[in-house]
Amino acid sequence: GDSVTQMEGPVTLSEEAFLTINCTYTATGYPSLFWYVQYPGEGLQLLLKATKADDKGSNKGFEATYRKETTSFHLEKGSVQVSDSAVYFCALRGGGSNYKLTFGKGTLLTVNP
Amino acid sequence: GAVVSQHPSRVICKSGTSVKIECRSLDFQATTMFWYRQFPKQSLMLMATSNEGSKATYEQGVEKDKFLINHASLTLSTLTVTSAHPEDSSFYICSARDPGGAVKETQYFGPGTRLLVL
Repeated sequence: GDSVTQMEGPVTLSEEAFLTINCTYTATGYPSLFWYVQYPGEGLQLLLKATKADDKGSNKGFEATYRKETTSFHLEKGSVQVSDSAVYFCALRGGGSNYKLTFGKGTLLTVNP
Repeated sequence: GAVVSQHPSRVICKSGTSVKIECRSLDFQATTMFWYRQFPKQSLMLMATSNEGSKATYEQGVEKDKFLINHASLTLSTLTVTSAHPEDSSFYICSARDPGGAVKETQYFGPGTRLLVL
């Protein structure tokens, strides 16, 4: 079945540092890939998505590229801010029309001033 | 963006009682809602898919008689944990798909409900 593996946290960075959170997946067919973010006390929010190989999703300075050859969708940001502190979830939606999402375990990011 | 609410945000109950959790889409009509369960330091595990006006589709290993799901309207789905036991203590999260949204694959998530069964 489908699965998502993302790097375990927690990740602690200083403000303006470079961020990478690794995510790899296993799926049949051609999945869509997502990064969700959960700020403290809030629900998950879609951060970015990519629906086919070589697509790059981007939002709020975050980027991730759908790499079919390495089955990866790593999240990157060039300069993190304290306000980026949150839990980040990588997820995939497999082929078909049921819209089911499979999530990674989440990575807690803490950015210190 | 679209907003999904959950109520209650936190509930403590005695073993053997039933608990109902509500999930509402506040500014769109959701034909499909999803219920997830999250254990500490674990990923979200899909429990069931709830379709308005029809029976929910449960994932393998989820007891449908224990976790009753009702999606009676386009803006409300409820999850009832029947005869709750301590092992049912968890964080329950719902999401709703906006079929008319600009990003049709997007699920909008509620803030979650923390259930503690004593």
